[in-house]
Amino acid sequence: AQSVTQPDIHITVSEGASLELRCNYSYGATPYLFWYVQSPGQGLQLLLKYFSGDTLVQGIKGFEAEFKRSQSSFNLRKPSVHWSDAAEYFCAVGAAAGNKLTFGGGTRVLVKP
Amino acid sequence: DTAVSQTPKYLVTQMGNDKSIKCEQNLGHDTMYWYKQDSKKFLKIMFSYNNKELIINETVPNRFSPKSPDKAHLNLHINSLELGDSAVYFCASGGSGEKLFFGSGTQLSVL
Repeated sequence: AQSVTQPDIHITVSEGASLELRCNYSYGATPYLFWYVQSPGQGLQLLLKYFSGDTLVQGIKGFEAEFKRSQSSFNLRKPSVHWSDAAEYFCAVGAAAGNKLTFGGGTRVLVKP
Repeated sequence: DTAVSQTPKYLVTQMGNDKSIKCEQNLGHDTMYWYKQDSKKFLKIMFSYNNKELIINETVPNRFSPKSPDKAHLNLHINSLELGDSAVYFCASGGSGEKLFFGSGTQLSVL
């Protein structure tokens, strides 16, 4: 069965500092990987996705993520965070076809002035 | 205990039928959601209820009707099912300022 682990429940960063959110997955084949952001009081928004090809993917809002098969990881990064990046971030994995997504538990990002 | 539980996990039905998916949360959250996972696995919000009141209603066919008998339950009823309704549907709940908790999803197949 597929599973996703986000080891950090909370992360606090200063505005302008870099951010990295960890995501580890368990899946037998090449997964489809996603990062979603949940801003306060809102639904989910897709930040980026990985299906195949270049293992470094660029997303919206200046985010990027790198797929590392050897480490079963898909960590999300941003070089310089803005106060508006304070939100909950979810990593998700899905099979190549047909199966439903499995979500990690989420990481809450707090941004200090 | 499962925080957000939705049933059934799998639903196979014929075109034209009416079906319901149930969702219950025991987290005491005020807000519940229905999301649709499309064929490319993107999640799209369908509905959101806050304390039994509809607050988000995205552009979905009116064959889809959410029903919230109380704030711990948000059911999704679908009339006259069509082939294109085949997808995975996720229920989620979240308190004010809290992160979402997801159900395990219901895979709907319309034949």
